[in-house]
Amino acid sequence: GENVEQHPSTLSVQEGDSAVIKCTYSDSASNYFPWYKQELGKRPQLIIDIRSNVGEKKDQRIAVTLNKTAKHFSLHITETQPEDSAVYFCAAHGGSNYKLTFGKGTLLTVNP
Amino acid sequence: DTGVSQNPRHKITKRGQNVTFRCDPISEHNRLYWYRQTLGQGPEFLTYFQNEAQLEKSRLLSDRFSAERPKGSFSTLEIQRTEQGDSAMYLCASSPQWANAAEAFFGQGTRLTVV
Repeated sequence: GENVEQHPSTLSVQEGDSAVIKCTYSDSASNYFPWYKQELGKRPQLIIDIRSNVGEKKDQRIAVTLNKTAKHFSLHITETQPEDSAVYFCAAHGGSNYKLTFGKGTLLTVNP
Repeated sequence: DTGVSQNPRHKITKRGQNVTFRCDPISEHNRLYWYRQTLGQGPEFLTYFQNEAQLEKSRLLSDRFSAERPKGSFSTLEIQRTEQGDSAMYLCASSPQWANAAEAFFGQGTRLTVV
């Protein structure tokens, strides 16, 4: 089955700096890669996603890149703000139409 | 909040007891998913319904776990003879049929503690 690795597990940045979180996946059939943000005690919320026919996607301060050959994708957050502090999960749509495989998460802390 | 609703939000139970959780998806969504999340981990897929049909079950879903969606609307997840290892957050998500599985909206979860 699909396996998703996510790094780093924790990331601390100063407000205004950029943050990058990286994920790798194992199933070459995976074709959809979402990113979720989960604040403490709250539900995971989809913040951006990318499909396998696209190499990069941007939404304001958030961007995601995908390298299908290398089977890795990354989340980039620019001009970080304290409210960006949360756990971020990457996931892969692993060949089945029904489930996502998640990474273990990255705890991002943005220091004011 | 008109999103996915889960009840109860918290449940503390003694080992060996049975528990049941409820999920009410967004009304027009015919796809419903259950995931389990333990501390420091990402959500793990448990099972999937399309309307009332349970189309996929993870190997994580032992015979002590059963999920139903009898009328294709709300769903229940029951755990029989709970064990301490069942302690986790149980998340429900839903999506409309046209959407990719990832474009799912999560509920706030039911946190189960088995003592």
